[in-house]
Amino acid sequence: AQSVTQLGSHVSVSEGALVLLRCNYSSSVPPYLFWYVQYPNQGLQLLLKYTSAATLVKGINGFEAEFKKSETSFHLTKPSAHMSDAAEYFCAATSYAGGTSYGKLTFGQGTILTVHP
Amino acid sequence: GAVVSQHPSWVICKSGTSVKIECRSLDFQATTMFWYRQFPKQSLMLMATSNEGSKATYEQGVEKDKFLINHASLTLSTLTVTSAHPEDSSFYICSARIGKGLSLLGEQYFGPGTRLTVT
Repeated sequence: AQSVTQLGSHVSVSEGALVLLRCNYSSSVPPYLFWYVQYPNQGLQLLLKYTSAATLVKGINGFEAEFKKSETSFHLTKPSAHMSDAAEYFCAATSYAGGTSYGKLTFGQGTILTVHP
Repeated sequence: GAVVSQHPSWVICKSGTSVKIECRSLDFQATTMFWYRQFPKQSLMLMATSNEGSKATYEQGVEKDKFLINHASLTLSTLTVTSAHPEDSSFYICSARIGKGLSLLGEQYFGPGTRLTVT
C-alpha cells in the first residue's frame, strides 16, 4: 500500500528564513504528488503538484518542491518565510494502484509551520 | 476557477438527530467527489468516494448506513450523518475532481469544511 510520510509534525522558522518541509513517499511507481496548505478551520488549498513532467515544481506564494526519485522525496521549500505562511501543510500522493485505490489521495500526517517575527 | 463550496460551515445538533452536509462544485462538473473526516491535529481520513449516478464506495471501517452519501448531479454531493452521536463530532471536508481517465490522477479541489458538533 502506498504511504506518505512527513518528517516533523511541527516546524518553526523565523520570518525571512528558509522553509523546508519534508515529505517521502513509498510507492513502486512514482505517483502524482501534491502539497496542500490548510489554514485554521478551512479546507485545503493546492500549493503545487508533480505530474511526471519537470522535477522542480513551482507553486503559489513562492513555494516550490523538487521530486527526487532516488530519494523517494518531494520536499517543499520557500526561500524566505512570511508570517502569512503559518499554517498546516499536507503532502499527498495519488495512487497508480489498480482497483479501488486508483486515483485516491493518500495524505501525510501534516506539518504545522510556525513563523516567528 | 475550480471552486468547491460546503454548506453549512458549522452545525450543532443534538444526539440522535441527523445532519445533512452539502458539497457543491460551483464552476465545474465533478464526476467524482470525496468525503473526508479530520479530527483535531490529525490528517484527513478518506471516508468515501462518490461518483455521480452511482453508489458511493466506502473505505474500510466507515459505516455506510450511518454516513449516507448521495451524488445526485455532477455538481452536488451530500453527506448525511444519521443518528449522530458525540463521537461523530469532527471536521468534514469534501473534495471534487474533474474529468476521467488520466485526470483521475489529478488534483482534487477541496471545500472549506463543515464543523459538526453533536451534543
